[in-house]
Amino acid sequence: GQQVMQIPQYQHVQEGEDFTTYCNSSTTLSNIQWYKQRSGGHPVFLIQLVKSGEVKKQKRLTFQFGEAKKNSSLHITATQTTDVGTYFCAGSWAGNTGKLIFGQGTTLQVKP
Amino acid sequence: NAGVTQTPKFRILKIGQSMTLQCAQDMNHNYMYWYRQDPGMGLKLIYYSVGAGITDKGEVPNGYNVSRSTTEYFPLRLELAAPSQTSVYFCASSSNYGYTFGSGTRLTVV
Repeated sequence: GQQVMQIPQYQHVQEGEDFTTYCNSSTTLSNIQWYKQRSGGHPVFLIQLVKSGEVKKQKRLTFQFGEAKKNSSLHITATQTTDVGTYFCAGSWAGNTGKLIFGQGTTLQVKP
Repeated sequence: NAGVTQTPKFRILKIGQSMTLQCAQDMNHNYMYWYRQDPGMGLKLIYYSVGAGITDKGEVPNGYNVSRSTTEYFPLRLELAAPSQTSVYFCASSSNYGYTFGSGTRLTVV
């Protein structure tokens, strides 16, 4: 079935270091979305990427969608303790009426 | 504007019992979804709906049922609860740009 693979599963960084999580699909995606979930909370929508090669920025967060629309990445520059949480990518495919399939998530811990 | 409201927040069920998880949204979104999240794992799609009267199975539908009689409500029914259904359940809605999630129902089956 359709699935997205996300790596790494965990990442521990020192505050101020950069962080990147990667998402990969074996088939072409129609779009990919990114969510953040704090411990004990619910996922919160961050961004949606639709176009091949698209790059979007939100302050220290940079989101990329691959040229083949099969992979995506989220890069955080100079992490802060407020960045702690689990980051999920979620993909949808053509013809699946807005249904999202989530990756396993990357849990980020930031040491002050 | 409440967004997506889920009730109850917590529930303990005995094996074989049934219950309905409630979900309501006030954003007039056509799309609604039910996901489950096991500890330390990602979200698995149980059922989804593209509009009132239309529902379809997701990745893990066994043991669950849904209905969508109105745009606002999308209840999830558990029949004959099993320990494998212990999880956190999230309802979400969408207008085709980003999901809005409810705060979740933490269910334990003992």
